[in-house]
Amino acid sequence: NAGVTQTPKFQVLKTGQSMTLQCAQDMNHNSMYWYRQDPGMGLRLIYYSASEGTTDKGEVPNGYNVSRLNKREFSLRLESAAPSQTSVYFCASNARDRQTYEQYFGPGTRLTVT
Amino acid sequence: QKEVEQDPGPLSVPEGAIVSLNCTYSNSAFQYFMWYRQYSRKGPELLMYTYSSGNKEDGRFTAQVDKSSKYISLFIRDSQPSDSATYLCAMKRGSNYKLTFGKGTLLTVNP
Repeated sequence: NAGVTQTPKFQVLKTGQSMTLQCAQDMNHNSMYWYRQDPGMGLRLIYYSASEGTTDKGEVPNGYNVSRLNKREFSLRLESAAPSQTSVYFCASNARDRQTYEQYFGPGTRLTVT
Repeated sequence: QKEVEQDPGPLSVPEGAIVSLNCTYSNSAFQYFMWYRQYSRKGPELLMYTYSSGNKEDGRFTAQVDKSSKYISLFIRDSQPSDSATYLCAMKRGSNYKLTFGKGTLLTVNP
């Protein structure tokens, strides 16, 4: 049981390049989330997927797109990377069938845009 | 005003000290309150949660919620170097599964 996995762990992009961050969970969770974490800003929600087949914008969606490929996988795409997107990206998931609605986080992807 | 405010620290204490970490919030609709711990270069993990007002204890950790003051706290007794991490408070409304996080407080416990 790997929990939430993310690939890649590190990435350096040039301004204007595109890339897709991959996330998968093996806990049969309904909901999945993408956050970015920046110094002094905490965790900010980019997009989320309440269930397979649905996605919604979070707090900071501009410059990103997402795909809920199936129940296990939720990808985040940067179409034209900008230096402001330099950040650590975390994927998370939860079951929504427990009162705590605990979110389980992946190990993160460290992205640098030059 | 942000929905959740948390002093980012950093906070440095000697081993064995009692640590108090706090968050304030502005939205009275929040009902579930959580503390996540994040070690350096790792993802956050849930440490404790409480529902509505009151205290909850788990070993050396106590979570406290005061809804009348919109104030939550995490106390760590007999702090250890292994407690060195960033602590993030998080909250959610009753019917909403999204979490709102504080910015996190960086804690260092010195041996």
